[in-house]
Amino acid sequence: SAVISQKPSRDICQRGTSLTIQCQVDSQVTMMFWYRQQPGQSLTLIATANQGSEATYESGFVIDKFPISRPNLTFSTLTVSNLSPEDSSIYLCSAGGKNYGYTFGSGTRLTVV
Amino acid sequence: QKEVEQNSGPLSVPEGAIASLNCTYSDRGSQSFFWYRQYSGKSPELIMSIYSNGDKEDGRFTAQLNKASQYVSLLIRDSQPSDSATYLCAVTGSQGNLIFGKGTKLSVKP
Repeated sequence: SAVISQKPSRDICQRGTSLTIQCQVDSQVTMMFWYRQQPGQSLTLIATANQGSEATYESGFVIDKFPISRPNLTFSTLTVSNLSPEDSSIYLCSAGGKNYGYTFGSGTRLTVV
Repeated sequence: QKEVEQNSGPLSVPEGAIASLNCTYSDRGSQSFFWYRQYSGKSPELIMSIYSNGDKEDGRFTAQLNKASQYVSLLIRDSQPSDSATYLCAVTGSQGNLIFGKGTKLSVKP
């Protein structure tokens, strides 16, 4: 299964700024996924990142707030823009497939002050 | 809206006992099912996948799938304190993503 390197592992950001999270996969994968996990909660899908096309966003998540790049089959970034305290959460990237399972990056813990 | 339901627990079992974790899902067309373990402050770790009806065993873990009842379970035999974690049930969604249940917190008491 794929190994995913995610960074930063944590950050403290000021309101109104942006944070970009990077994920690097050790093999080529068709789709990558970005999730948010709020404290004590389960994982919520933000968007699916496809190489060569626009990301597909879930209800409640918009491109202006969560722009995603997917320049090649091993890399993706998620930017959380115009930060507010409500964006404080853990953000996770994932890759894999339904036939062999999905792995996760180590997560990014974002605190907005 | 596809849903995955789990008892949030906490489920407490003594060391050496069998822990039984259950999950139901709403989409009858779901084909792939996964169990993840998540320690506090860590990302989810895949421990079992199951695709067809019946049981699948891997070491101390057994996953059980019943598509007619839309039910997936995970049994952990000889539970250890190190098994204390939140267990997340997940099924594949239409985008190829995972849809997660809220997780069951397991506590194994020495």
